[in-house]
Amino acid sequence: AQSVTQLDSQVPVFEEAPVELRCNYSSSVSVYLFWYVQYPNQGLQLLLKYLSGSTLVKGINGFEAEFNKSQTSFHLRKPSVHISDTAEYFCAVINTGFQKLVFGTGTRLLVSP
Amino acid sequence: GAGVSQSPSNKVTEKGKDVELRCDPISGHTALYWYRQSLGQGLEFLIYFQGNSAPDKSGLPSDRFSAERTGGSVSTLTIQRTQQEDSAVYLCASSPLNGVTEAFFGQGTRLTVV
Repeated sequence: AQSVTQLDSQVPVFEEAPVELRCNYSSSVSVYLFWYVQYPNQGLQLLLKYLSGSTLVKGINGFEAEFNKSQTSFHLRKPSVHISDTAEYFCAVINTGFQKLVFGTGTRLLVSP
Repeated sequence: GAGVSQSPSNKVTEKGKDVELRCDPISGHTALYWYRQSLGQGLEFLIYFQGNSAPDKSGLPSDRFSAERTGGSVSTLTIQRTQQEDSAVYLCASSPLNGVTEAFFGQGTRLTVV
């Protein structure tokens, strides 16, 4: 069965510092990959997605992620974070055979001044 | 509607009572998911409907949980004889089956069992 691993449950960082949130998945087949963000007391919204093509994907709010097939990773990065980026970030995977969408346990990004 | 709609937004129930949570997916979306998010926890997969195929129920935590999807549209998640550990936010999502399988989420139903 597919699984998604987000090793970091919480990542504290100072404002304007770079950040990387790690995501690894277990699958030997073609996949689609997603990052969702959940701001405090809000629903989930899509940050970015990888379907095919360029392995570097750019999303909203200055975030980007790189798909690495050999390492089965899809790490999320931002070169300079803002206080408003404080949120829970979820990595998700679905195989292209359209089986269920599986989420990681989430990483809480805490940005402080 | 324009997005995924869930009702009620909040539900407080007494232990042992049954509850029904409703999800109205985006029109035309063939895939529908239910997830549970407990305080400080990630998204726990519950059940997945895809078109006319048999649902994937592998995430349902016990036989007190069931879900149905009528006419390939609206879905109802039923929890029988609720327990305090069932308290969580129940999220519904839908997605189209056209190669772009982004899931769109509702705002969730916050269930509190007292």
